Amino acid sequence: AQSVTQLGSHVSVSEGALVLLRCNYSSSVPPYLFWYVQYPNQGLQLLLKYTSAATLVKGINGFEAEFKKSETSFHLTKPSAHMSDAAEYFCAVKNSGYALNFGKGTSLLVTP
Amino acid sequence: ETGVTQTPRHLVMGMTNKKSLKCEQHLGHNAMYWYKQSAKKPLELMFVYSLEERVENNSVPSRFSPECPNSSHLFLHLHTLQPEDSALYLCASSPSLALSYEQYFGPGTRLTVT
Repeated sequence: AQSVTQLGSHVSVSEGALVLLRCNYSSSVPPYLFWYVQYPNQGLQLLLKYTSAATLVKGINGFEAEFKKSETSFHLTKPSAHMSDAAEYFCAVKNSGYALNFGKGTSLLVTP
Repeated sequence: ETGVTQTPRHLVMGMTNKKSLKCEQHLGHNAMYWYKQSAKKPLELMFVYSLEERVENNSVPSRFSPECPNSSHLFLHLHTLQPEDSALYLCASSPSLALSYEQYFGPGTRLTVT
């Protein structure tokens, strides 16, 4: 079985501050891991993915994530938040079958 | 048009109506998916098609009926829905079913059942 836990359904940061969105997974085999972003009234857009090539993965819009096997984590970070980063962020895991197994999402609020 | 498109973007229907959701992908992918996104719940996979063949049906009620006439188009036919079926329905596609491939999502259809 595989599952994803996103700690914190809501995260608030000031513009310019570090963004840290947490994701922990459970998987019996090395997984493929993904972060998606969803802006209001839109579908999901891929930010980045981990496929075992490198533990530090760089994505779009300045985001990156680090795969830590010992901690079963794949946290998403961005050094400096921008107002346009306000959105819902989803972590997902896949190691068998066809489905992306998503976490419940974290809503990021960026304040001026 | 590029990417994955879905129509309509919004749909309101009564419980006795019949309607269809349409998805089209312009990416040359071979796999297509329907997901349901409800408030406070993780995205739920409903159906998976690969090369127009259904490969997964996750215990979805029969009032939802998918159709994949070709690798670019996917439909979700709806009939006698319940209010709890109100949700955002997302279509996605991927190059194939291989594990490493990400899925590309459309903007979704916001469905309200009255």
